[in-house]
Amino acid sequence: EVYLLESGGGLVQPGGSQRLSCAASGFTFSACTMTWVRQAPGKAPEWVSSLSGSSIISRDSGTFYADSVKGRFTISRDNSRNTLYLQMTSLRADDTAVYYCVRARERTNGLFDYWGQGALVTVSS
Amino acid sequence: EIVLTQSPASLSLSPGDRATLSCRATQSIGIYLAWFQQKPGQAPRLLIYDASNRATGIPLRFSGSGSGTDFTLTISSLDPEDSALYYCQQRLHWPLTFGQGTRLDI
Repeated sequence: EVYLLESGGGLVQPGGSQRLSCAASGFTFSACTMTWVRQAPGKAPEWVSSLSGSSIISRDSGTFYADSVKGRFTISRDNSRNTLYLQMTSLRADDTAVYYCVRARERTNGLFDYWGQGALVTVSS
Repeated sequence: EIVLTQSPASLSLSPGDRATLSCRATQSIGIYLAWFQQKPGQAPRLLIYDASNRATGIPLRFSGSGSGTDFTLTISSLDPEDSALYYCQQRLHWPLTFGQGTRLDI
């Protein structure tokens, strides 16, 4: 069974940093594109960042960011630990959201078939 | 950026009714559209992918159709447990985008 467990959420001051982790199990982690999607209270989900897996043939780095986080957030993965990360810096109030770790089906970048339960990040002084 | 516009914003129907939810894209996305269901306090759940394919474990009363810019999620014979928010999402172009949602009350 596919399982995604986020950790690292919490309260952070504006301008601060936070790192989210997502522990994955039940599938070939290295093969799948992994994504962070966030959802602010009462809003629709918003795609944040994706990191392609080995099943995707790509001429570029396979790393993608929403304009709203580009230059502030960094996505990475450790395939030996089956773990996805999101390093967030220069956090702002509008980054407050539940952050979901999401798996894309193999050989796709955006077919989101499994989601974690989410980690709440609150940016406030 | 591809903008997805969902209509109606909200819908109130009775058990056994048929629900028709719409999602329109600002440019063609082929068939690369998914539908998600989200209940309070839960993560979104994949219902339909690539416009018309039901995800694993999704009841037959959920069906999707469309291509290009216009897509429809149909829920036949509504059950009270279908009360939820429904979102569409495109995966053809970066940035990946979601619609603003349709609230369905049964």
